[in-house]
Amino acid sequence: DTEVTQTPKHLVMGMTNKKSLKCEQHMGHRAMYWYKQKAKKPPELMFVYSYEKLSINESVPSRFSPECPNSSLLNLHLHALQPEDSALYLCASSQSGTGNLVYYGYTFGSGTRLTVV
Amino acid sequence: AQSVTQLDSQVPVFEEAPVELRCNYSSSVSVYLFWYVQYPNQGLQLLLKYLSGSTLVKGINGFEAEFNKSQTSFHLRKPSVHISDTAEYFCAVTTLGSSNTGKLIFGQGTTLQVKP
Repeated sequence: DTEVTQTPKHLVMGMTNKKSLKCEQHMGHRAMYWYKQKAKKPPELMFVYSYEKLSINESVPSRFSPECPNSSLLNLHLHALQPEDSALYLCASSQSGTGNLVYYGYTFGSGTRLTVV
Repeated sequence: AQSVTQLDSQVPVFEEAPVELRCNYSSSVSVYLFWYVQYPNQGLQLLLKYLSGSTLVKGINGFEAEFNKSQTSFHLRKPSVHISDTAEYFCAVTTLGSSNTGKLIFGQGTTLQVKP
């Protein structure tokens, strides 16, 4: 299995809703990432998990809450989002994350397209 | 800090013509370099990467890139494009060694428009 699987593919939510995005990989990668991508823009890093611990939070608002229950699974919990949070949310994984460990490259999922109404 | 500059926001080209998408980077430490492609309404797919060794890197779909350390460039080339190559292309960099935070820095992207 060489894929990163993201569910759902599309999500429409109201500003008072609570929802979660899910990301799963079975490649044995120990670093996982959440990126946000607006239309016609490059992906922007939100969070990095390395060995199931949060290593980077790029000053993301608290209405986004990441969770890494195990080495294969990454969640992004959403609550009280704003319309400007509408975007494509991409998950990625890599063999290693931080420090001097050998690095082989990122694998991205196909994303969840989120619309906040 | 690292940065990536993609010199062209849009590159129109006719089918079967050659194409070069330009990428320059800035870093005070050694880097890994990548090119990703994003088709409409899809995620990012890795085209090729430079980690070490030969400076000419071959990737999928007939693409190749050359790492030039002195010019801090990593330009992407294809000798003959197809309509199906129409997509957004991102150059990206991450750092080696103890400064490696796992963070991937992207350029602004280049839209390749292949015309029949």
